[in-house]
Amino acid sequence: AQKVTQAQTEISVVEKEDVTLDCVYETRDTTYYLFWYKQPPSGELVFLIRRNSFDEQNEISGRYSWNFQKSTSSFNFTITASQVVDSAVYFCALSVISAGGTSYGKLTFGQGTILTVHP
Amino acid sequence: DAMVIQNPRYQVTQFGKPVTLSCSQTLNHNVMYWYQQKSSQAPKLLFHYYDKDFNNEADTPDNFQSRRPNTSFCFLDIRSPGLGDAAMYLCATSRRDSIREQYFGPGTRLTVT
Repeated sequence: AQKVTQAQTEISVVEKEDVTLDCVYETRDTTYYLFWYKQPPSGELVFLIRRNSFDEQNEISGRYSWNFQKSTSSFNFTITASQVVDSAVYFCALSVISAGGTSYGKLTFGQGTILTVHP
Repeated sequence: DAMVIQNPRYQVTQFGKPVTLSCSQTLNHNVMYWYQQKSSQAPKLLFHYYDKDFNNEADTPDNFQSRRPNTSFCFLDIRSPGLGDAAMYLCATSRRDSIREQYFGPGTRLTVT
């Protein structure tokens, strides 16, 4: 079974601060994918990044960066110079290819981290 | 723009009165998913269609059914809604060829009175 843990339930920062959202995952599968999604107050889940288990390169996209470390089963997300528009719930998720494909692409979500960025 | 559309965005139904939520997509994705998200919780997968093949999660109540008449449309039917079924229902799609990111619709918030 898969499990994703986001230890931080809520984080509050002031605009322009850097903030890191932690994600730790558990799986016995050797091939898996990790995701981050953003859920603003409107409710729609917005895809941010996908990483496969064979690619441990860190990635930077604008103010967003991701640190994937298989040795610690972590996939942390950092927002640099946070802005008020970054306020949302952020979900880390895991997906594996199960035998027979009966759970194809099933996302196992963490509980989410509520990020509030104050002006 | 290609997208995932959910209608209605807000739905109010009475206890025990059947309700149908709809999802359509212009992405031409093979896989469609329905998630239930209760307040302050993570989305929980109810079932998904892999093309026309229906895959139910083991813990999805029988009260929840789904139909996929064609590639573009998928429906979630709640036969006898209870107060505990009040939630946000999210539809998502993805491509079949590999595990790709899922594209989510805006969701339908269901209230049961």
